[in-house]
Formats: sequence, structure tokens, C-alpha cells
Amino acid sequence: SQTIHQWPATLVQPVGSPLSLECTVEGTSNPNLYWYRQAAGRGLQLLFYSVGIGQISSEVPQNLSASRPQDRQFILSSKKLLLSDSGFYLCAWSVRGTGGIYEQYFGPGTRLTVT
Amino acid sequence: RKEVEQDPGPFNVPEGATVAFNCTYSNSASQSFFWYRQDCRKEPKLLMSVYSSGNEDGRFTAQLNRASQYISLLIRDSKLSDSATYLCVVNQLTGFQKLVFGTGTRLLVSP
Repeated sequence: SQTIHQWPATLVQPVGSPLSLECTVEGTSNPNLYWYRQAAGRGLQLLFYSVGIGQISSEVPQNLSASRPQDRQFILSSKKLLLSDSGFYLCAWSVRGTGGIYEQYFGPGTRLTVT
Repeated sequence: RKEVEQDPGPFNVPEGATVAFNCTYSNSASQSFFWYRQDCRKEPKLLMSVYSSGNEDGRFTAQLNRASQYISLLIRDSKLSDSATYLCVVNQLTGFQKLVFGTGTRLLVSP
């Protein structure tokens, strides 16, 4: 079965520091991968998606970047964190479900606090 | 207008009650629909996809009304463990799966 891992689970970083969050998927090949952020009291916002190695699309301009160096690895980065980057960061992958609809599944997330 | 709108609640119901949530979406080109469940400080988990004809999974029933652009979730015989936030989710594109999430409806089931 497929599983998705994210680390670290929690992170406290000062403003201006760099960031690297990692997501890996097991049990599937060539998955579509996604990075979301959920700010306190708000809905999930799609940040990046990737359909293959080296292929990254950004949904919103921001202080973050993403990379996909391997098929099942997706990395979220920042050179200098802002206070507004605080939030719950979720990695997800999608698969075609039994009804023919692509369904997304989430990793456990990283809770980032920028101080 | 938000792309996906939900009543934030909370809905406070006793165990065994039936509760229904509605959700409206603004983009008539939306192709697929989902309900996710999110526990406090946890990741969202897919509860069910919503099919055009409606579908049922145990105590949960989902309905889609494309003409009125709303989706519903019915929970029968509520359990304490059903307490969570329920997210209405809409897929806006047919190729790449871009999901748009509502902010969720909070459900509290009490003994």
C-alpha cells in the first residue's frame, strides 16, 4: 500500500532563517505531488504541484519554492522565512479511485511557527 | 464570493442524532467533489468522493446537486468519534487535479 511521509512534524524557526521540508511517497511510482499550507482558521491553500521529476508549477507567488529531485521526493524550501509563512504544511499525492475520480491523500504535515 | 462555502458551525448534536452539512461552490465547471474529515491539528483524511448519483458509505451519505451547485453530507447515528471538522472540496479542472477546499464545518457530538 502507498504511504506518505513528512518531516519534521513540528518546527520553530526565526524570521529570516532558511527552510527545508521534505515529503516522500512509498508504494507508487510517478505520483502527482502537491504542497498545501493551512493557516490558522483558514482553508487549505495549494502552493505547488508536480507531475514528474523536475516539473514544478506554482499556484501563488510567495516566499517559497519547491523541487522534485526524485520521483517520490518533494521538497519545500525558503531562503528567508517571514512571519506570514507560519502554518501547517501538508504534502499530498493523488491516485485514481475506484469511481474513476482522482483522489488526493495527505501526509501527516509539518507545523511551522516562524518567530 | 468564496469558491467553496460552508457553514463553520459548530454543530452540537447528541450521540445517535442525524446531522447534515451543506456546501455550495461557485464554479459551475467543477468536475469532482469530495468530503474530507480533519481532526484537530491533524491532516485531512478523505471521507468520501461524491458521485453525481449520490453515494452512501455506512452511516454517511453524500449528495450532489449540480443545478444548484451544492453538495451535502448526511451523518446518521452520530458517534462521539465523528467529532471533527468536515471539509467540502471541489476539483475545478479536469486535467491536473486542483482541489479547492472549504474552511470546514465543525461537528461536536456529545454523550
